Amino acid sequence: AQKVTQAQTEISVVEKEDVTLDCVYETRDTTYYLFWYKQPPSGELVFLIRRNSFDEQNEISGRYSWNFQKSTSSFNFTITASQVVDSAVYFCALSEAIGNNDMRFGAGTRLTVKP
Amino acid sequence: DAMVIQNPRYQVTQFGKPVTLSCSQTLNHNVMYWYQQKSSQAPKLLFHYYDKDFNNEADTPDNFQSRRPNTSFCFLDIRSPGLGDAAMYLCATSRDRRGYEQYFGPGTRLTVT
Repeated sequence: AQKVTQAQTEISVVEKEDVTLDCVYETRDTTYYLFWYKQPPSGELVFLIRRNSFDEQNEISGRYSWNFQKSTSSFNFTITASQVVDSAVYFCALSEAIGNNDMRFGAGTRLTVKP
Repeated sequence: DAMVIQNPRYQVTQFGKPVTLSCSQTLNHNVMYWYQQKSSQAPKLLFHYYDKDFNNEADTPDNFQSRRPNTSFCFLDIRSPGLGDAAMYLCATSRDRRGYEQYFGPGTRLTVT
């Protein structure tokens, strides 16, 4: 069965610090997709990134970067030089291509960035 | 421009009084989802429509129903809301089911008195 674990419930950093949000997943499928979503206090989930299981290339988008490692079943998210506007709950999610292709979310990590 | 719209943003209903939440999309996506999210929890999938095909999650209570009259609109009906149904209800869409990202609306916060 598919499973997503975000072990960090809450993280608090001071502005301009770098922070990494961990995501570990379990799946039996060889083809699957990983996602990160941001949920700011307003409540709307915002799509950040999608990765398929055959693309282990790391990605950088501005201050955001993602590290996908199949060997450790991890898909970690790093925010460089954090800002107060980064304060939100971040969800990692998994969708299988052949098995259960519903999107399964991790429990989320609440990030607070203090000025 | 908003792509997934949910109305109302806030809904108060009485215990046992039926309520309908609505969702519309301008993305022309095939799939529409309804999630329930309670405080400090991950979104929980209730059901989804793949085009006109309705797919119910096994643990979704019978109290929750859905309708999708056309591609653009989807409704969530709660026939007899209980206090435990107070939550944020999120609508999402995706182009297809297999591995496509979902786009979420702003949610409807339901209060049951």
